[in-house]
Amino acid sequence: GDSVTQMEGPVTLSEEAFLTINCTYTATGYPSLFWYVQYPGEGLQLLLKATKADDKGSNKGFEATYRKETTSFHLEKGSVQVSDSAVYFCALSDLNSSASKIIFGSGTRLSIRP
Amino acid sequence: DAGVIQSPRHEVTEMGQEVTLRCKPISGHDYLFWYRQTMMRGLELLIYFNNNVPIDDSGMPEDRFSAKMPNASFSTLKIQPSEPRDSAVYFCASSAGTVNQPQHFGDGTRLSIL
Repeated sequence: GDSVTQMEGPVTLSEEAFLTINCTYTATGYPSLFWYVQYPGEGLQLLLKATKADDKGSNKGFEATYRKETTSFHLEKGSVQVSDSAVYFCALSDLNSSASKIIFGSGTRLSIRP
Repeated sequence: DAGVIQSPRHEVTEMGQEVTLRCKPISGHDYLFWYRQTMMRGLELLIYFNNNVPIDDSGMPEDRFSAKMPNASFSTLKIQPSEPRDSAVYFCASSAGTVNQPQHFGDGTRLSIL
């Protein structure tokens, strides 16, 4: 079945460092791809999305490009801040379902040192 | 606009007691999802509804768990009797319509069963 694999955490970086969180997927069709972020004590929030190959989703300085040839959707940010400390989930839409089901990765915890 | 609203935010109760978690989805959304999040198992989809009808409850762990959606603006997840291994954060999410739509999460209910 469809699945998402993302890099294991935790990831610890210094403020202003460059961030990459890797995400690859397996899907039988052409799903939409998402990155969600979960801040401590809160629910998941949609960070960005891309709906077709070569689309770039972006928000709050984060970017991810839908790469069909490598089945990847890596999350990047040029200069992280302490406030970016959170858990990040890569996800895809489940095209085998008639509903708006989403398949989530296991999450990557990011900690930013001042 | 109001987001997904869950109550209570925290619940502590003794094993054997009945627990009821509540969710109000975003107005106009026709899909509602219940998830459970633990350190060991990550984010698990328990059940989801479309237009108030349960579509897939294959993630519900046991008969002790039940969920209802009596109308478009309210859903409950009930555990009876509760056990310590049910301790987790329970999230409700809603989405609008078709495949490829993002889900919008509430802030969750942190449940502790003593």
